[in-house]
Amino acid sequence: NAGVTQTPKFQVLKTGQSMTLQCAQDMNHNSMYWYRQDPGMGLRLIYYSASEGTTDKGEVPNGYNVSRLNKREFSLRLESAAPSQTSVYFCASRLTGGGTGELFFGEGSRLTVL
Amino acid sequence: DQQVKQNSPSLSVQEGRISILNCDYTNSMFDYFLWYKKYPAEGPTFLISISSIKDKNEDGRFTVFLNKSAKHLSLHIVPSQPGDSAVYFCAASGSGYALNFGKGTSLLVTP
Repeated sequence: NAGVTQTPKFQVLKTGQSMTLQCAQDMNHNSMYWYRQDPGMGLRLIYYSASEGTTDKGEVPNGYNVSRLNKREFSLRLESAAPSQTSVYFCASRLTGGGTGELFFGEGSRLTVL
Repeated sequence: DQQVKQNSPSLSVQEGRISILNCDYTNSMFDYFLWYKKYPAEGPTFLISISSIKDKNEDGRFTVFLNKSAKHLSLHIVPSQPGDSAVYFCAASGSGYALNFGKGTSLLVTP
């Protein structure tokens, strides 16, 4: 069981470059999420998709865009990377869009912006 | 403004003793609470949850207590083991779709 798969696991960018983080889940979950983790800041929500075809901003959406490509896939794009976007990014999915139920996380993508 | 707070960045406990990790929340609309465990270079993994209709939930060595009037929950690990050394995140959910996470508490269990 793959669960939530993120690619790439590591990436180094120069300021101003663009890139897309890919995420796929094979659990037939309806909602998907992108979080970033920074030292001393915990997990902060960037964007989420409560169901296929919908996306919404989270706590820290500036500088990012997302696409819910289909029920399985949810990508995060950095159009013009900045050093402040150096972080570990986690994709997660959940069976339902709200209420109870746990999030299942991927292993993370470590991004460094020089 | 952070709605889920873990005020202790770190905790050190001896093997075999009890570990108590605390979490406070500010939003009274939260009705579902979870604890996640995270090892370095891995994604967070679900540990235990509790609904607001309960005040205690137990799963093996892990027990979560919820005090709604104080907007406080705690995770008890008994007995603590070296393999429990990790960062623990508290999370809360309400009518919205996303979980709100605390900043985490780093637990070190020493032999």
